[in-house]
Amino acid sequence: EAGVAQSPRYKIIEKRQSVAFWCNPISGHATLYWYQQILGQGPKLLIQFQNNGVVDDSQLPKDRFSAERLKGVDSTLKIQPAKLEDSAVYLCASSLNLPNTEAFFGQGTRLTVV
Amino acid sequence: AQTVTQSQPEMSVQEAETVTLSCTYDTSENNYYLFWYKQPPSRQMILVIRQEAYKQQNATENRFSVNFQKAAKSFSLKISDSQLGDTAMYFCAFMKYPGNTPLVFGKGTRLSVIA
Repeated sequence: EAGVAQSPRYKIIEKRQSVAFWCNPISGHATLYWYQQILGQGPKLLIQFQNNGVVDDSQLPKDRFSAERLKGVDSTLKIQPAKLEDSAVYLCASSLNLPNTEAFFGQGTRLTVV
Repeated sequence: AQTVTQSQPEMSVQEAETVTLSCTYDTSENNYYLFWYKQPPSRQMILVIRQEAYKQQNATENRFSVNFQKAAKSFSLKISDSQLGDTAMYFCAFMKYPGNTPLVFGKGTRLSVIA
C-alpha cells in the first residue's frame, strides 16, 4: 500500500513569509497528526484530526499556525508569518480509527527560516 | 502529563555486537503502549518494536528486544548482531491506552554502528 505522502521535502523561506505543507495519509486512515521536530529533539504534536474534525490542537501556536483537513483526507499545515524558531522538520502521520493501531509517518518537510 | 527521557544522546557499537538503549518514562496511567522508532537520515519514522503495558512478556522482533520494567518505568531496547543499516536516531515513545492518541517522544539516541 502507498505510504503517507508529504510535500515539499525541503523549503527555505525568509522570516515573516508564509509557507504551507501538504500531507496525504494512507487510504482509509481517519486519524491524521502533524508533529514538529526541532533539531536535536523528538517530535512534538501540533494537531490531531479525526476525519475532518480537530481532536487536539492544544499545542498549536494558533497566532501563526493553522491546519485544515476539509474533506477528511489530505491536510494542509500553514505558518504565517514564519519565525526563525519555526525551523524544523514537520512530520505527518496517520492511523486507523481503532484502538491499539500503529501510526505511519511520512518523510517530513524540512523547513529552514532565514 | 506523560514524559519520556532518553539519557544517552549518542552511542556507538561495533558491527555484530550488542547494544542497549535506555528509556524511562513518567505516567500515572496503568495501561498504555510503549514504542521504539528508528529515524534514518531519510527522516521517516519507522516502528521497530512495541510493548503493551498490560503484557508482562517482553516484546521481541528478530534482532530487537525490549526489557520492560513497569514498576521502574523503564523500557530499554536491545539490538543484537548490530548491522550498519541500524545506524540511525532511535526514539522511545509513549501512547495512552486504548491508543489512537498522540505519541509522546523522548529526545532520541543517535546510534552509530561501526564496521
